[in-house]
Amino acid sequence: GDSVTQMEGPVTLSEEAFLTINCTYTATGYPSLFWYVQYPGEGLQLLLKATKADDKGSNKGFEATYRKETTSFHLEKGSVQVSDSAVYFCALSFRGRGGATNKLIFGTGTLLAVQP
Amino acid sequence: DTGVSQDPRHKITKRGQNVTFRCDPISEHNRLYWYRQTLGQGPEFLTYFQNEAQLEKSRLLSDRFSAERPKGSFSTLEIQRTEQGDSAMYLCASSFNPGAGNTIYFGEGSWLTVV
Repeated sequence: GDSVTQMEGPVTLSEEAFLTINCTYTATGYPSLFWYVQYPGEGLQLLLKATKADDKGSNKGFEATYRKETTSFHLEKGSVQVSDSAVYFCALSFRGRGGATNKLIFGTGTLLAVQP
Repeated sequence: DTGVSQDPRHKITKRGQNVTFRCDPISEHNRLYWYRQTLGQGPEFLTYFQNEAQLEKSRLLSDRFSAERPKGSFSTLEIQRTEQGDSAMYLCASSFNPGAGNTIYFGEGSWLTVV
């Protein structure tokens, strides 16, 4: 079945370090890919998305490129801040009826801890 | 726009009791989703509605679980005869179909602890 695999955390970095969180997927067909972020005590927030191969999603300095050949959607940021500390979830979905995004399938999440 | 609202935010109940969670989606969002998240795991899909129609249910949604969206606006998720394994965060989300990007917006979740 369709699934998402993320690198296990926690990932601990110093402020201004480079961040990569790996995400690979298994899917029949061509899903849309997403990164969601969950700050402590809060709900999930969409960070970025890509809907087709070679698309690059970006937001708040974070980027991820949809790589069909490697079935990957790795999250990167050039210089992390303490405020980026959160759990990051990679997810996929397919378009359902009427073209809308159907259910999301999530990875297990990666905890990022950024130290000053 | 106040976002997706869930109530209660926290619920502690004794095993065997029934609990009900309410979700108010973003106004005019016609799709509403329920997910369950346990500690250290990603959210797992439970069910979703398009307006008042329940279009899909996960096998995770046992007979003790029932979800409704009677008027196509707010939704309730009821768990009957709760078990300790039901302890989790229950997330509600909504989206607009059709809409640009069809982004799914999540609420802050309802924590359930069964003792």
